[in-house]
Amino acid sequence: QVQLVQSGAEVKKPGASVKVSCKASGYTFTSYGISWVRQAPGQGLEWMGWISAYNGNTNYAQKLQGRVTMTTDTSTSTAYMELRSLRSDDTAVYYCARAYYFDYWGQGTLVTVSS
Amino acid sequence: QSVLTQPPSASGTPGQRVTISCSGSSSNIGSNTVNWYQQLPGTAPKLLIYSNNQRPSGVPDRFSGSKSGTSASLAISGLQSEDEADYYCAAWDDSLNASYVFGTGTKVTVL
Repeated sequence: QVQLVQSGAEVKKPGASVKVSCKASGYTFTSYGISWVRQAPGQGLEWMGWISAYNGNTNYAQKLQGRVTMTTDTSTSTAYMELRSLRSDDTAVYYCARAYYFDYWGQGTLVTVSS
Repeated sequence: QSVLTQPPSASGTPGQRVTISCSGSSSNIGSNTVNWYQQLPGTAPKLLIYSNNQRPSGVPDRFSGSKSGTSASLAISGLQSEDEADYYCAAWDDSLNASYVFGTGTKVTVL
């Protein structure tokens, strides 16, 4: 069965960086892209960007351009999302999801940014 | 941030039919198909409807979706207590560098 398993919760200070992983199993990793979505406490869903697991092409949300980098490691079927220059309003649960329809989601990773 | 507009809340008694609207524009719903997600408290979202009206395997046929022009809707018939959740519409948007946009979300309460 398809599974996306994410890394554990993180606590970071403002200005730091965080890198969240998303390990896929149960399907051919390179046949689908991976999108990242975040959800601030009590808020809605926000799309962060997408990466092709086939060729590494990326497409980031405009508001995160320059602060976010998405990568994949096809040898381990793992996708990564790194967010830099963290601010308090980056505190959120971060999800990976299998694109195009976002039909499978990771369990979520809570990233807390606090001094 | 959200460019798709949904009512903040909807409610019904068990067995009733509830409908949630999703309003967008020509660059998102007007040009692309709509997907719907259900998010139970404390859990990751789950794909409920894709390509406007298709149900993934395992999703009860009580859930149905439709689209017309730049709007879409999700209907839940025969409302059950386990349907109490947040619901989000979403679509790809051609005007924002091919971004994926979510609706503002609707909290469904079963009375």
